Amino acid sequence: DVKVTQSSRYLVKRTGEKVFLECVQDMDHENMFWYRQDPGLGLRLIYFSYDVKMKEKGDIPEGYSVSREKKERFSLILESASTNQTSMYLCASRSQENYEQYFGPGTRLTVT
Amino acid sequence: AQSVTQPDIHITVSEGASLELRCNYSYGATPYLFWYVQSPGQGLQLLLKYFSGDTLVQGIKGFEAEFKRSQSSFNLRKPSVHWSDAAEYFCAVGASSGSARQLTFGSGTQLTVLP
Repeated sequence: DVKVTQSSRYLVKRTGEKVFLECVQDMDHENMFWYRQDPGLGLRLIYFSYDVKMKEKGDIPEGYSVSREKKERFSLILESASTNQTSMYLCASRSQENYEQYFGPGTRLTVT
Repeated sequence: AQSVTQPDIHITVSEGASLELRCNYSYGATPYLFWYVQSPGQGLQLLLKYFSGDTLVQGIKGFEAEFKRSQSSFNLRKPSVHWSDAAEYFCAVGASSGSARQLTFGSGTQLTVLP
């Protein structure tokens, strides 16, 4: 079974802190994604990566950056956390040949 | 750009009743369509997908969905709902172009099941 893991299930940070959210997949997938999920808005794509060291902006990249130094790991970085970044963050991965995305359990981030 | 509309924010059904969750999409070419389910505090799990071929697609947990091109719809159905089906359901459409062939998700339908 494909497994996507995220470093934390719950995280509380203060405004202005630098925050790292880590995602690891074990299926050698080329593509990885970061979404945020907010009530009534569904999932919105922040960034995605189609290869190591490659990244592209999604629909809402402002205030975020990403890093993909190894194929299995995709990190989301909040350079200076703000309260409007309080949300559920979901990581996903998929193979190059397949549309199906596999999701991690999510990280619920609260910024106070 | 593609888009997905799930017109029902919240649906309540009794256990054993039938269920239909609506999904309408907008996409210029033949879409790739998905239904995902999210249980409380969990990530998303794929229920079923449509790429081509038979327009009635069977998925896990007894769910099915029908692709209707003329109506731009991909509604999810289940003949008899179980209490464990209470969750949030997301419809998604896949873009056939772009470097990573993204998915666009609807805003979700929350399902409550009454005993």
